[in-house]
Amino acid sequence: DADVTQTPRNRITKTGKRIMLECSQTKGHDRMYWYRQDPGLGLRLIYYSFDVKDINKGEISDGYSVSRQAQAKFSLSLESAIPNQTALYFCATEIYNTQYFGPGTRLTVL
Amino acid sequence: DQQVKQNSPSLSVQEGRISILNCDYTNSMFDYFLWYKKYPAEGPTFLISISSIKDKNEDGRFTVFLNKSAKHLSLHIVPSQPGDSAVYFCAASAGDYKLSFGAGTTVTVRA
Repeated sequence: DADVTQTPRNRITKTGKRIMLECSQTKGHDRMYWYRQDPGLGLRLIYYSFDVKDINKGEISDGYSVSRQAQAKFSLSLESAIPNQTALYFCATEIYNTQYFGPGTRLTVL
Repeated sequence: DQQVKQNSPSLSVQEGRISILNCDYTNSMFDYFLWYKKYPAEGPTFLISISSIKDKNEDGRFTVFLNKSAKHLSLHIVPSQPGDSAVYFCAASAGDYKLSFGAGTTVTVRA
């Protein structure tokens, strides 16, 4: 079983819709992260959480929000999706300076 | 402003030869560097790392070299194998548990 799972794996939605991407981990790590990947730009940090009570904005947090429901769960929400949020989204956990990634969610906003 | 740059978007190499991937950074506070490998439809997986107190780290066929004065690191894969065909990301940390990533280099190993 995968240590970091993401649901859904693929999602197509329309402009203005609210959408939630979910991430679960069985690694027992406190630190969790959300990234988006765009062609030619690598991975950019959206939000990160160092424990259940600690949430921080990354470099591109506008238009996104997160919820850390438990140590094992970290969700990313798009309150009102727009087409330039079409991207590949990755969740990751971290320990000892090394991050471990989920398989990604491909989101398309029409 | 990207603090980690991989200026070669792609690299093609013959099986058995050496692959050399390059990465430059601008933030002098970076003290830990990592390489990740990514296959299509999968998340990045950790490959190898190096601390700023070292200038070389080896793990099997993979070696990472760090030149702090030039703010440059490189990944050598010897010998290259077909399974090495993937996207490779360079990443750096300033000790704050966050990573800055380069844009990636797509490696294709030809038979």
